[in-house]
Amino acid sequence: KNQVEQSPQSLIILEGKNCTLQCNYTVSPFSNLRWYKQDTGRGPVSLTIMTFSENTKSNGRYTATLDADTKQSSLHITASQLSDSASYICVVSDRGSTLGRLYFGRGTQLTVWP
Amino acid sequence: EADIYQTPRYLVIGTGKKITLECSQTMGHDKMYWYQQDPGMELHLIHYSYGVNSTEKGDLSSESTVSRIRTEHFPLTLESARPSHTSQYLCASSESHQRVKGVSGREYEQYFGPGTRLTVT
Repeated sequence: KNQVEQSPQSLIILEGKNCTLQCNYTVSPFSNLRWYKQDTGRGPVSLTIMTFSENTKSNGRYTATLDADTKQSSLHITASQLSDSASYICVVSDRGSTLGRLYFGRGTQLTVWP
Repeated sequence: EADIYQTPRYLVIGTGKKITLECSQTMGHDKMYWYQQDPGMELHLIHYSYGVNSTEKGDLSSESTVSRIRTEHFPLTLESARPSHTSQYLCASSESHQRVKGVSGREYEQYFGPGTRLTVT
């Protein structure tokens, strides 16, 4: 069964600190992995997207890594800001269908305190 | 920011009422999707469409129905709302797989609307 597991489930950090969120997946055949940020009551917004040949990608203060061999990804947030408080969702796409089926993790709820 | 819109943003309605959740996109995307998301849980695909007059059920069984008469419009209807339908409904769209084939990572990129928070009392 294709699955995406994220950890931790929730995280509280102080403003200015760094943090790393984890994602393990079993989706096969793998197409790409993306990290989304979802603010409360809003739709997810894409932060990064990586194919199997990419092992790191940055978007401002967000840096995602991918190890396709171990099927793990991480999202590192540097110098956190209050606006980073949101749910961060790991999403993996399979290559096996024209639909481009997405498999969603449950997200890590990040809270940044002043 | 993607050009995909959902209305209403919030809806509180009584049991047995018929409701339609609207979703529109101005990007000319062929594929559109409806997801259901409960608090703290992952998104579940309930309906999708490859294009006009094409609709399919997703992974999660849903009593809702959808239609795709125009490319830009993908409404979701509940004929008789029940408290078990209380959830957040997210609409998304993406370009055709064939149209972006070969462009690394862009295949299957889905753009989400802001969601509709539905409460059935």
